Amino acid sequence: DTGVSQDPRHKITKRGQNVTFRCDPISEHNRLYWYRQTLGQGPEFLTYFQNEAQLEKSRLLSDRFSAERPKGSFSTLEIQRTEQGDSAMYLCASSNHAWTRGTQYFGPGTRLTVL
Amino acid sequence: TQLLEQSPQFLSIQEGENLTVYCNSSSVFSSLQWYRQEPGEGPVLLVTVVTGGEVKKLKRLTFQFGDARKDSSLHITAAQPGDTGLYLCAGVATGTASKLTFGTGTRLQVTL
Repeated sequence: DTGVSQDPRHKITKRGQNVTFRCDPISEHNRLYWYRQTLGQGPEFLTYFQNEAQLEKSRLLSDRFSAERPKGSFSTLEIQRTEQGDSAMYLCASSNHAWTRGTQYFGPGTRLTVL
Repeated sequence: TQLLEQSPQFLSIQEGENLTVYCNSSSVFSSLQWYRQEPGEGPVLLVTVVTGGEVKKLKRLTFQFGDARKDSSLHITAAQPGDTGLYLCAGVATGTASKLTFGTGTRLQVTL
């Protein structure tokens, strides 16, 4: 069990560019979540997958955001035409609903800075 | 919208003191988790509580889930500088998917 990993850890981009983040969950965890955290706030839910199915999306997830989990393992989060307001820490978490009682384990996050 | 309110928001204490952080809501949660987060890192799980009235101890940390599963507390005994960090409570509201709703956070600083 190597924990949840995220890549990259830091991303600096110019406004208008597209960025993609990757999350590798704990193996055998069937649920994968994306959250966004801005400075001084707690994380806010964006979306989650059970296996490869995306089951819920927050209103925070605008049309510029898209997430995939094609084979039910790793997931990607893409932001198109980035805006300065997208600057935040993007966190990924995973769980196995059957035996962790919903407990979610978080990765180290990807810090996005949009200039 | 289910909200979890934490208090206090900031706490600065000296080594050896005791402290309690509160997490309150008007909503019922099927489970509640406490995390600690360092700057620039993801939240690290401390504990999960699922049963009303449940008390869990983790060394100097004691966690309690309210009888009605609407509130929780974290008590630290004899705080140490290594306890410094951001403490977050997060719950899964009943009747919702398993997404976590996070509290506002309590920033703790323990000085020598």
